Amino acid sequence: GEQVEQRPPHLSVREGDSAVITCTYTDPNSYYFFWYKQEPGASLQLLMKVFSSTEINEGQGFTVLLNKKDKRLSLNLTAAHPGDSAAYFCAVSVNTEGADRLTFGKGTQLIIQP
Amino acid sequence: AQTIHQWPVAEIKAVGSPLSLGCTIKGKSSPNLYWYWQATGGTLQQLFYSITVGQVESVVQLNLSASRPKDDQFILSTEKLLLSHSGFYLCAWSLDSFNQAPLFGEGTRLSVL
Repeated sequence: GEQVEQRPPHLSVREGDSAVITCTYTDPNSYYFFWYKQEPGASLQLLMKVFSSTEINEGQGFTVLLNKKDKRLSLNLTAAHPGDSAAYFCAVSVNTEGADRLTFGKGTQLIIQP
Repeated sequence: AQTIHQWPVAEIKAVGSPLSLGCTIKGKSSPNLYWYWQATGGTLQQLFYSITVGQVESVVQLNLSASRPKDDQFILSTEKLLLSHSGFYLCAWSLDSFNQAPLFGEGTRLSVL
């Protein structure tokens, strides 16, 4: 089945710096890709969905890049601020035996230092 | 607007006791519904999914069961809790084929003692 590797598991950056989180996946039939943010004690909040073969999506304070050729998905937080401190999860969907399965990466704990 | 609500917010239960967690989605008919489990500080594991009333597919059971008694309701339960059941349980919904990203409820935090 699909395997998703997310790196790094922990990341600490100074306020104002950028932070990059990367996920690689194995199933070439994967077609939807998501990034979620989870603040301490809270549920998952959707940051962005991407699905094109090579796509750069810009959100508020972050950029998501998908490269299907390399089976790589990345989240780049630009000019990090304290509110960005949270766990971040990538998720990859693939249709297996007629059903959509969502496989999550193990998460990245991001700490923004003042 | 669609809303997803989970209950209870938190539970403290004894090993061997029964459990029932609920999830309700309002504002959308025939959603796909999912149960996920997150160990403390861990990744998310999909447990069950349902695409229609009365039909539930198991991904990983973990000695749990799920049911969809109504179009807008998804129930997770077990008759006998284990210590390993502790964690954060999340219900999510989506439209067909993840064209719309799965959106999560507030979650239920379960502590089994």
